[in-house]
Amino acid sequence: NAGVTQTPKFRVLKTGQSMTLLCAQDMNHEYMYWYRQDPGMGLRLIHYSVGEGTTAKGEVPDGYNVSRLKKQNFLLGLESAAPSQTSVYFCASSSIRDEAYHGTSGAETQYFGPGTRLLVL
Amino acid sequence: AQKVTQAQTEISVVEKEDVTLDCVYETRDTTYYLFWYKQPPSGELVFLIRRNSFDEQNEISGRYSWNFQKSTSSFNFTITASQVVDSAVYFCALSLVGTSGTYKYIFGTGTRLKVLA
Repeated sequence: NAGVTQTPKFRVLKTGQSMTLLCAQDMNHEYMYWYRQDPGMGLRLIHYSVGEGTTAKGEVPDGYNVSRLKKQNFLLGLESAAPSQTSVYFCASSSIRDEAYHGTSGAETQYFGPGTRLLVL
Repeated sequence: AQKVTQAQTEISVVEKEDVTLDCVYETRDTTYYLFWYKQPPSGELVFLIRRNSFDEQNEISGRYSWNFQKSTSSFNFTITASQVVDSAVYFCALSLVGTSGTYKYIFGTGTRLKVLA
């Protein structure tokens, strides 16, 4: 049981290049999320998905696209990278019902991947 | 407004000291969830605790304890007898039901804890 994995761990891009970050989870979670972490700003939600084939915008979606073709995978794409997208990207997943907390319904604990460090020059 | 404030940017303590990390949240929702995560120097985010808005009981887990007070909108985290391995950035987060019916996570900016040997 690997939990949440992210590929790649580190990448350097030139301005204007494109790339895709891959997130995979083996916990059969319905929800998946992409965050970016910047110094002094905590984590900010980019996009999220509540199920296979669905995606929605988060707090800072501009410049990113996502796809959830399979339940276990959530892809984050940068079509034309900019230096402002230099950041650490975290993927997370969660279930609808978190049985680990006495079956309390409707709220989820997010489990995070190890992060992808992206540098855009 | 919905917001999580961790006013302490960085705290340094000497090993074996107790330390409290503050978290103050803002929401008008009556149902919400609060979380603490730890981010050690290796970078991953580790889940520590979840508390729902209807459960104000404090919780203790080993050297960790959490004090949830709705009256002051605070969810503070105390480490007793701190150890060097506790050195990390700690994030407090608030989870609310968004307009689409899904849950929305709001993170604080984190508190960096340095425990000196």
